[in-house]
Amino acid sequence: DIVMTQSPDSLAVSLGERATINCKSSQSLLSSSTNKDYIAWFQQKPGQPPKLLIYWASTRESGVPDRFSGSGSGTDFTLTISSLQAEDVAVYYCQQYYGAPITFGQGTRLEIK
Amino acid sequence: EVQLVESGGGLVQPGGSLRLSCAASGFSLRHYWVHWVRQAPGKGLEWVANINEDGSERFYVDSVKGRFTISRDNAKNSMYLQMNSLRVEDTAVYYCVRGGGWILDYWGQGTLVTVSS
Repeated sequence: DIVMTQSPDSLAVSLGERATINCKSSQSLLSSSTNKDYIAWFQQKPGQPPKLLIYWASTRESGVPDRFSGSGSGTDFTLTISSLQAEDVAVYYCQQYYGAPITFGQGTRLEIK
Repeated sequence: EVQLVESGGGLVQPGGSLRLSCAASGFSLRHYWVHWVRQAPGKGLEWVANINEDGSERFYVDSVKGRFTISRDNAKNSMYLQMNSLRVEDTAVYYCVRGGGWILDYWGQGTLVTVSS
């Protein structure tokens, strides 16, 4: 199974500042046939289901604010929130869909400093 | 409006069975992979199973293989998760998820399954 490891486990950032969450996979998520990285990012607020933010490592889902961006390739990936807003307080998960079983990172809790 | 509504959760004793249902509306489920993802109380996300558009391919996480069965009825725009031989560690909120392939693009609100004596 592909293991997804996020860092840090929790993060406190001031409003308007940049937040960066990292995700490392135990094997490459880059497909040689499609030249795409099979990783997505989700946001989960308390009492709500997860919401898809980013897929193919850097493609923003429709309706997601452009302050959210994804980057990286191979085994190392990053979710960046360029200017933290109060409504961004949540737990963030990375997820690989390169192969079965689909696996998630352990989550990163983002709070306001 | 796209909606996925789960039902069938509840309290069950260890060794018991439950069948979860997920009804889709606002779109035709037949064009999508569908997945079940669970979340134990206060814990992270764990993918459980998926099934392709016509039901010919299914995948499961190892911990549920031989105990859980995913199925779908495209005519009813619904999917199901039959859960047998339930264990305490199966206690979780179970989410029904639409997949653009294996991109989990829309989630239901979830149904709570509690396995306890």
